[in-house]
Amino acid sequence: KAGVTQTPRYLIKTRGQQVTLSCSPISGHRSVSWYQQTPGQGLQFLFEYFSETQRNKGNFPGRFSGRQFSNSRSEMNVSTLELGDSALYLCASSLLGMRDGYTFGSGTRLTVV
Amino acid sequence: GQQLNQSPQSMFIQEGEDVSMNCTSSSIFNTWLWYKQDPGEGPVLLIALYKAGELTSNGRLTAQFGITRKDSFLNISASIPSDVGIYFCAGHGGATNKLIFGTGTLLAVQP
Repeated sequence: KAGVTQTPRYLIKTRGQQVTLSCSPISGHRSVSWYQQTPGQGLQFLFEYFSETQRNKGNFPGRFSGRQFSNSRSEMNVSTLELGDSALYLCASSLLGMRDGYTFGSGTRLTVV
Repeated sequence: GQQLNQSPQSMFIQEGEDVSMNCTSSSIFNTWLWYKQDPGEGPVLLIALYKAGELTSNGRLTAQFGITRKDSFLNISASIPSDVGIYFCAGHGGATNKLIFGTGTLLAVQP
């Protein structure tokens, strides 16, 4: 059974640009969450989607947004990139939600220059 | 952002030694999870705990859900080189419906 797939694996963007990251969850999983991982702040929760609806949201500015499609695939968008947005962005999926214990993808390494 | 306190921050041990790490929170959780992350990869779930006092094993790994519901412990017995990585605790439930991660414990095992 295929795991959580994130694309692209690596990305370099310029300050001020926007970026879209993609996540394909494990087949049958309806909950998808996104995390930002940095050396200084660790793993920080961005948002959770379940059946195309945002069910939970972390404390990130409005520049960070996401959506989930009917096939459970999810995208995350960051607009007006800042240097501090450089991080590993992790997507995770589970059958019903966070309590089940997420399966994480390998992440997208975003570097903002 | 919110994080759980995890200790120790790092550990450097000899192969064959036992390892203990713990995670504490000021909030009560209903679920405790333990993950391991290898370089360049996402975290992998090791153990899930759902009840206060619960003790669960997964091979050489044993984790416990603290009675107060504010802490959890992970023990690794007879460590081997492939145990190297960063271990994270994560709590869910209680006052927050979010999965909150700990600060991580870096484990290095010398053969």
